[in-house]
Amino acid sequence: DTGVSQNPRHKITKRGQNVTFRCDPISEHNRLYWYRQTLGQGPEFLTYFQNEAQLEKSRLLSDRFSAERPKGSFSTLEIQRTEQGDSAMYLCASRGPGQETQYFGPGTRLLVL
Amino acid sequence: DQQVKQNSPSLSVQEGRISILNCDYTNSMFDYFLWYKKYPAEGPTFLISISSIKDKNEDGRFTVFLNKSAKHLSLHIVPSQPGDSAVYFCAASANNAGNMLTFGGGTRLMVKP
Repeated sequence: DTGVSQNPRHKITKRGQNVTFRCDPISEHNRLYWYRQTLGQGPEFLTYFQNEAQLEKSRLLSDRFSAERPKGSFSTLEIQRTEQGDSAMYLCASRGPGQETQYFGPGTRLLVL
Repeated sequence: DQQVKQNSPSLSVQEGRISILNCDYTNSMFDYFLWYKKYPAEGPTFLISISSIKDKNEDGRFTVFLNKSAKHLSLHIVPSQPGDSAVYFCAASANNAGNMLTFGGGTRLMVKP
């Protein structure tokens, strides 16, 4: 399967804990995007990478959110000191060079208790 | 400020008839538009897209129409099938903004047998 994969698919954590999600893009896709989707809303852009460079991070929701893509392949999204309002679906998408379409992974559903 | 809006939260259609989903946008810098289909607990699945240099794109049962002067696009599904029942999101991107996607709030389509 050469689609976008995300792990874990589900995460339950207690308020104040740190969580990290992983995204593996489609092979050779140089751009990787993170989005968040809350109930009843469309996905909301958070940040994106071109290869290992993070080109836009002003939309990250707070300084508790950070993302990396150290070797230009997989990416991680970390949320520190989670809050109940962080409960959402976190989506990753990737796009190949010269392409317009972003392809999404299955998402990681986070529940903060 | 919602730059992409889907004003109908839900739509119910009889199997075999046409489904028309609408989307409006406000940002004139958007130059690429996409429709995604989403089932619960899954990531969005790409359906069809259109560049701003075109006014129509067709792929099988799916056709997207773009009216740039009205800043309006629509997705036509003909004939509708029960398996089309899902939430449909329209999304827009601008090449000069890293192609990050701005999504509408979604329309839930129900196709009745």
